[in-house]
This record gives sequence, C-alpha cells and structure tokens, in this order.
Amino acid sequence: GDSVTQMEGPVTLSEEAFLTINCTYTATGYPSLFWYVQYPGEGLQLLLKATKADDKGSNKGFEATYRKETTSFHLEKGSVQVSDSAVYFCAASNTGKLIFGQGTTLQVKP
Amino acid sequence: KAGVTQTPRYLIKTRGQQVTLSCSPISGHRSVSWYQQTPGQGLQFLFEYFSETQRNKGNFPGRFSGRQFSNSRSEMNVSTLELGDSALYLCASSFEGGRAEGTFGSGTRLTVV
Repeated sequence: GDSVTQMEGPVTLSEEAFLTINCTYTATGYPSLFWYVQYPGEGLQLLLKATKADDKGSNKGFEATYRKETTSFHLEKGSVQVSDSAVYFCAASNTGKLIFGQGTTLQVKP
Repeated sequence: KAGVTQTPRYLIKTRGQQVTLSCSPISGHRSVSWYQQTPGQGLQFLFEYFSETQRNKGNFPGRFSGRQFSNSRSEMNVSTLELGDSALYLCASSFEGGRAEGTFGSGTRLTVV
C-alpha cells in the first residue's frame, strides 16, 4: 500500500540555520503531497502542498518540490526561527485519505 | 470564517464503555475525515464521509464507526473501549475530499482508563 517515510527526529537547530526534513513516498499514480505542522496541544495546520510533478509548494519561508523521479518532497527553510519549533508531517493523498509519515520534531534554539 | 470544531476537547472513559465524538466542519464543506493519532502508530486514517455517505474506510475494527448528518456535521463512535484506544482523534473537513487537503480541528483527546 501507499506509504510515506520521513527522516527521524528530533532535529535540533540554532536560530537562522538552514532546515531540511527529508520525505519520500511510495504510491500508485501521482498523489498530491503535503506538509503539515502541529504545535503542542493543537491539531494539524497545512503548511504547503503540491499536486503534480515539479510543482513547488511554498509558505512562510518553507518550500518543498514534488520530485517524481526520486519520489521525494523534502521540506526546506533558509533560516529557521524559534517559533518554527513544532512537529512536521509529510503526507500523500491519492484516494481521499491522507497517508502520513511518522512526523519529525524540530527544536530551534535561540 | 469559523474553523473545524471538535467536541469535547478532552474525555476520560473507562474500559468497556462507549464514546461519541463530534466534528462540525467549515461551513460549505461536505467532506469530513477522521484520523487517530497515537505515539506508537502515528496518524492513521479512520474514515471519510461525503454527503452523508461513507466514501472511504481505514483499517480499524468494527468497534469504530461514524456517520454524517445532512448539515455535514459528523460523529464517530467507539464501542467497547480498550486501553489502546487512548489517542488524539482529529477530524478534517474539505469541500470535495478526494485528493484535496483537509482543514483540521484541534482534536479530541480520549483517555481510556
């Protein structure tokens, strides 16, 4: 079945460092791909999405490009802030349900 | 514009009891999906309802059921609760469902003791 694999966390960075969180997927066809963020005690917030190959999703300084050839959707940010500390989930959707990765905890220190 | 509302926020139940959780979608959204989030299994899809019909179902036992009303509000029910049902239950609404992303509520934290 479809699956999503994220890099293990936690990821600890200093403020203004460059962030990469790796995500790869296994799915039939061409799923839509998403990054969600979850802050403590809250639900999931959509961060960005891409619906077809070579699409780049971007929001709040975060970016991810849909790479069909490597089945990847890595999340990047050029300069992280303390307020970016959260859990990040990569997800794929082909049939109306979201398949999530295990989540990557990001901690940004001042 | 009001977001997705889930009630209650927190719930404590005893093993063997049943529980009903509620989800009110964003106005105009017709699709509601439910997910279970646990530390061990992560986020897992339970089911999706669209226009009062279950359109998709995850791999959960029959103790987990749901329904959707004509105003798109949805409920999920878990019968004969087990300790392993302790989780954060999230619902997401969207206009169409399918491959579209959902807008999530804050969840209901269920603890089974």
